Amino acid sequence: GDSVTQMEGPVTLSEEACLTINCTYTATGYPSLFWYVQYPGEGLQLLLKATKADDKGSNKGFEATYRKETTSFHLEKGSVQVSDSAVYFCALSNSGYSTLTFGKGTMLLVSP
Amino acid sequence: DTAVSQTPKYLVTQMGNDKSIKCEQNLGHDTMYWYKQDSKKFLKIMFSYNNKELIINETVPNRFSPKSPDKAHLNLHINSLELGDSAVYFCASSQITGELFFGEGSRLTVL
Repeated sequence: GDSVTQMEGPVTLSEEACLTINCTYTATGYPSLFWYVQYPGEGLQLLLKATKADDKGSNKGFEATYRKETTSFHLEKGSVQVSDSAVYFCALSNSGYSTLTFGKGTMLLVSP
Repeated sequence: DTAVSQTPKYLVTQMGNDKSIKCEQNLGHDTMYWYKQDSKKFLKIMFSYNNKELIINETVPNRFSPKSPDKAHLNLHINSLELGDSAVYFCASSQITGELFFGEGSRLTVL
C-alpha cells in the first residue's frame, strides 16, 4: 500500500536558519503530494502541494519539489521564524476520493 | 464563519460511557472524513463519506459509528469508551480529489 516516510523530530533551529524536512513516499501510479502544517492547538492546514513530477509547490517562503526519480518531496525554507514552530506533515493522495496518507509528522521548534 | 467546525473541542469522560462528536462544514464539499491523531501526532483515517454514503471504513472497532444526516454533517458516536480511545479526533472535508480542510479537533480523554 501507499506510505510516506518523513524524518523524525523534533528539529530544533535558531531563527533565520535554513530548514529541510525530508519526505519520501511509496505509491503506485502518480500521486499528488502535500505538506500540511499543524500549529499548536489547531487543526491541520494545507501549506503547499504538487500534483505531478517536477512541480514545485510554494507558500509562505516554504518550497517543495516533486521528484519522481527519487520519490521525494522535501520541504525547505531559507530562513525560519519563531512563528514557523509547528508540526509538519507530508502526505500523498492516490485515489479519486482525496484520501490522504500521512507521514508521522515532524515537529519544528525555532528559538529566537 | 468557520469552514469546518467540530463540537465539543474537549471531552473528558469515564471508561464505559458513550459519547458523540459532531462536525459541520459550510464549504459545500461532497466528502467528509474522520481522522484520529494519537499522542505521538500520528494521523490515521477512520472513515470517509461522500454525499452521505460511506466510502472508507478503515479497521476501527465497531464501537465507533459514523453518521451523516446530510452532506454538510458527519458525526462520530463512540460506545463503551476505552482508555485507548483517548486521542484528538479531526473532522475534514474536501471536494473529490481536492484539498482537505480540517476542523480544530476534539480532544477526547477517557479516565
